[in-house]
Amino acid sequence: QKEVEQNSGPLSVPEGAIASLNCTYSDRGSQSFFWYRQYSGKSPELIMFIYSNGDKEDGRFTAQLNKASQYVSLLIRDSQPSDSATYLCAVKAFGNEKLTFGTGTRLTIIP
Amino acid sequence: NAGVTQTPKFQVLKTGQSMTLQCAQDMNHNSMYWYRQDPGMGLRLIYYSASEGTTDKGEVPNGYNVSRLNKREFSLRLESAAPSQTSVYFCASKDRVLDGYTFGSGTRLTVV
Repeated sequence: QKEVEQNSGPLSVPEGAIASLNCTYSDRGSQSFFWYRQYSGKSPELIMFIYSNGDKEDGRFTAQLNKASQYVSLLIRDSQPSDSATYLCAVKAFGNEKLTFGTGTRLTIIP
Repeated sequence: NAGVTQTPKFQVLKTGQSMTLQCAQDMNHNSMYWYRQDPGMGLRLIYYSASEGTTDKGEVPNGYNVSRLNKREFSLRLESAAPSQTSVYFCASKDRVLDGYTFGSGTRLTVV
């Protein structure tokens, strides 16, 4: 079982709709959770982080964390063509200096 | 403020050749990392350095060596390149307080 799992996609969403990206993790000691966006041929860019159960909102992005279910998600509201990218989920355990990444979900926003 | 700078951006090597990938950060971060990214495999950690003077193996260290030259610089060396090392290599650094990484722009390496 992979430590961090994501559906590889591609996930196609109409422009203006909500895109929902999901991630599960196996290490119950994970305490920090991150979402990175990676455009084709570019480096990953941090867009959201969440440490506590519940929702965290930043503009059109909402990260959701459920530690009991070992589940973290990213919602993108009012999806735009510029949101088309691969989204990487990453987790870190307390006291661990390393992030573990999922393989990413490729998101395509259809105009 | 450049962030994390990697050189070179592209490189083609012949099997058996050696090379060093350079990485420097100007954010006064303590931790630095080298990842490789392959299609369908995601980002895999090669080596990391939690602080100046320390280095540790990651998930896929075989065939690589690293040097944490000072707080700013963390280099990755391929002593004898193999086609299996064809990949995109990313350097990253991390602030002690904020856990998220800042990535460099990457090095696309092809070994023929």
